[in-house]
This record gives sequence, structure tokens and C-alpha cells, in this order.
Amino acid sequence: AQSVTQLDSQVPVFEEAPVELRCNYSSSVSVYLFWYVQYPNQGLQLLLKYLSGSTLVKGINGFEAEFNKSQTSFHLRKPSVHISDTAEYFCAVTGGSNYKLTFGKGTLLTVNP
Amino acid sequence: KAGVTQTPRYLIKTRGQQVTLSCSPISGHRSVSWYQQTPGQGLQFLFEYFSETQRNKGNFPGRFSGRQFSNSRSEMNVSTLELGDSALYLCASSLAFGVGEQYFGPGTRLTVT
Repeated sequence: AQSVTQLDSQVPVFEEAPVELRCNYSSSVSVYLFWYVQYPNQGLQLLLKYLSGSTLVKGINGFEAEFNKSQTSFHLRKPSVHISDTAEYFCAVTGGSNYKLTFGKGTLLTVNP
Repeated sequence: KAGVTQTPRYLIKTRGQQVTLSCSPISGHRSVSWYQQTPGQGLQFLFEYFSETQRNKGNFPGRFSGRQFSNSRSEMNVSTLELGDSALYLCASSLAFGVGEQYFGPGTRLTVT
């Protein structure tokens, strides 16, 4: 079975500061990894994905994530956040013969002026 | 290209009633997944349909059911509603079963009173 742990439920930061949202996963098979963002009263929007290849993945809105197989991590980073980045961020994993997405509990990123 | 659409967006039902939610995937996408999102349990996988067949099922009681039509549109049904069924129900589509990322709709907010 797969599982995802998002280590921080809430991350408050100031505008223009860097941010890292942490995600660890467990799986006995090769995985595909995703980060999604959810703005209030909306569905989930795909930020970025790791399917194979380069371990540094760039996504939309200036976000990037690094896949680290030895540490089973897929942390999300942004060098300078904006007020508009305030949202909930979900890390998700899928893999093996069972392709269903398993999500973490989410991290609420709050960007303050 | 239009995104995933879900109808209705908001729904209020009373305990014991049943409800049907609808999802239209992105054009060309043939796989549809359903998720339940609640503050306490987070995002939980309900089921996935591909080519009108259920390919995956989460750990939900039999009151939760779904189907997919030949045009890939999907419906989910919840019978004998309970207060705990109040949630945001999200539909996601992907090109095919087990292929890459999923794209989410805005969700249906179900309130059971």
C-alpha cells in the first residue's frame, strides 16, 4: 500500500520569502508523484508531476519539486511567494498495478503581506 | 479545451434521501475517478471508471456507487444519505486508466441535513 505524509499542516510565510512544503511517501513499487493546489471553493489544479527522468521538476506559477528516491521525498519549493499563492497544497502518489491516487492531508500555505 | 465539469455545484439533501452527481470529463479523456473531500478525512478515493467498467474501488460502503457511459461521462450515486456524507465530491479525468496525471473538476458540495 502507498501512503503520503505532508509534514506540515500549515505554513505561514511573508510575501517574497522562499517556501518549502515537505512531502514524504512510502511505496514498494516505482511511483509517479504529483503536487496539486486547491484555492478556496475550487477543485484541484495540477502544479507539477514527476513521472520519470530528471529529478528536478518545474511546474506552473514558479513552483518546482525535487524527487529524492533515497529519502522517499518530493518537496515543493518556490523562491519567492506572492499573496496569490495562498492556498492548500496536496502531494499525491500513484504507482504499481493500482493506479489510484493517494493524497497527503494537505498543507495550508498562507502568504502574509 | 473545456475542463472537467460537474453538476450540480451545490446540493442540499436530508438524511435517508439519495443523490446523483454528474461529471463530464475533458474531451478525449476516457478515465474518470471520484474522490470525497472532508476536513477530517481529507481526500479519499471512491472509484475509477474506464471504458464503462469500474477499474478501482476505494473503501466506501455499498451505498456509494457509480457508472460511466459510452461517451465517458460519469455519475455517482449515494443512497440512504447520512450526515457524514456531507463533503465536497470531486471528479477527475485522465486520458486512460493508469496514464499520467488527473485533471479535476470544481466539485459538488453536498450538504446532508
